[in-house]
Amino acid sequence: GQNIDQPTEMTATEGAIVQINCTYQTSGFNGLFWYQQHAGEAPTFLSYNVLDGLEEKGRFSSFLSRSKGYSYLLLKELQMKDSASYLCAVRARTGANNLFFGTGTRLTVIP
Amino acid sequence: GAVVSQHPSRVICKSGTSVKIECRSLDFQATTMFWYRQFPKKSLMLMATSNEGSKATYEQGVEKDKFLINHASLTLSTLTVTSAHPEDSSFYICSARDLGGDASYEQYFGPGTRLTVT
Repeated sequence: GQNIDQPTEMTATEGAIVQINCTYQTSGFNGLFWYQQHAGEAPTFLSYNVLDGLEEKGRFSSFLSRSKGYSYLLLKELQMKDSASYLCAVRARTGANNLFFGTGTRLTVIP
Repeated sequence: GAVVSQHPSRVICKSGTSVKIECRSLDFQATTMFWYRQFPKKSLMLMATSNEGSKATYEQGVEKDKFLINHASLTLSTLTVTSAHPEDSSFYICSARDLGGDASYEQYFGPGTRLTVT
């Protein structure tokens, strides 16, 4: 089975840095994704990690430690528009390579 | 980039009726599409994996006779909610995998369908 945990809510200040953690336990691991989702909209892809280490893409970075079953998404220079839910998803090593999502972290950016 | 559409975006129906939701990959072929359900302020729950030309694979606890899935072509999958009840009200999202895509970007999400059953 799959078990993916994230904090439910976080608040951060505009211009600051925030780290959103995700821990997972899976029966088979084939990559970890981070998605951003604004209310009432579909998730949009942010990052993908399959090997240990840090992947950087502009203001967003994602880190993975497979041995610890741990990932984080780092958002720098926060902007008001970054207020959204951030979903951690693990891809299972199954025939269909399904994605299993965590509960999502609702980030509120305040002035 | 790859685009996935869903239709309708919003639907209101009465209890006991059936509703069909379409998911289309617009500029790529998808042998596999996924259907998710999302309750307010909750994350996505995988309902089923839709395979072109074969039966869908349902996740545990999802009634296959209630949520009928048909993946008749490489660009279209449909989800039919049969005999809808108010508890079926939810946000339904599909995603599609690009046959020719890089493994790291393989799923593209549709904009979702808001179903309200009265």
